[in-house]
Amino acid sequence: QSALTQPPSASGSPGQSVTISCTGTSSDIGGYNFVSWYQQHPGKVPKLLIYEVTKRPSGVPDRFSASKSGNTASLTVSGLQAEDEADYYCNSYSGSNSLLFGGGTKLTVL
Amino acid sequence: EVQLVESGGGLVQPGGSLRLSCVASGFPFSPYSMNWVRQAPGKGLEWLSYIRTSSSMIYYADSVKGRFTISRDDAKNSVFLQMNSLRAEDTAVYYCVRSVQYGFDHWGQGNLVTVSS
Repeated sequence: QSALTQPPSASGSPGQSVTISCTGTSSDIGGYNFVSWYQQHPGKVPKLLIYEVTKRPSGVPDRFSASKSGNTASLTVSGLQAEDEADYYCNSYSGSNSLLFGGGTKLTVL
Repeated sequence: EVQLVESGGGLVQPGGSLRLSCVASGFPFSPYSMNWVRQAPGKGLEWLSYIRTSSSMIYYADSVKGRFTISRDDAKNSVFLQMNSLRAEDTAVYYCVRSVQYGFDHWGQGNLVTVSS
């Protein structure tokens, strides 16, 4: 059960778009459409942004979008705002009856 | 409003045991799968365990398999995590989390477990 691979950091200026990748294997991301993404501000509880690869829960702005290609999932934040500065985590179901998180990406809004 | 309230954390010596509880409210508990997720200080999220409705399926992360046991009591709207043989590396904030299609849609506030002598 190895963690999914995310870049440790990402950054962008207000109004820009930034994409965060999450790389796994054919046994997790590549094998199932159960990829989810979470936003966590410092000292706060994680918040679900995306589930089932591309679906947004009600209340999540459409500035947040996601996709998957092969063994890599991606989260795109468009129209960056100051409040988007946070840690972002991906998660995927794995065929070994487990769920894996990525190591997290710290997004900085410049 | 969905609420998940954890309890049972605290300071425990290495090798000791703790039982975390999570009481759910604001939604019909029995149709939902539940999870435990932890976050060590300054570190990322780590999924620990999943329990499906009616306890029909249970999964564990390798890091806790054989030491932790998840259970639920639908009559009490509660999910539990029995933690045995605790190690220093188990020190973390433990979250009770509801899941929908393997997406974690509601999180408790977290409960700190510290394993130290």
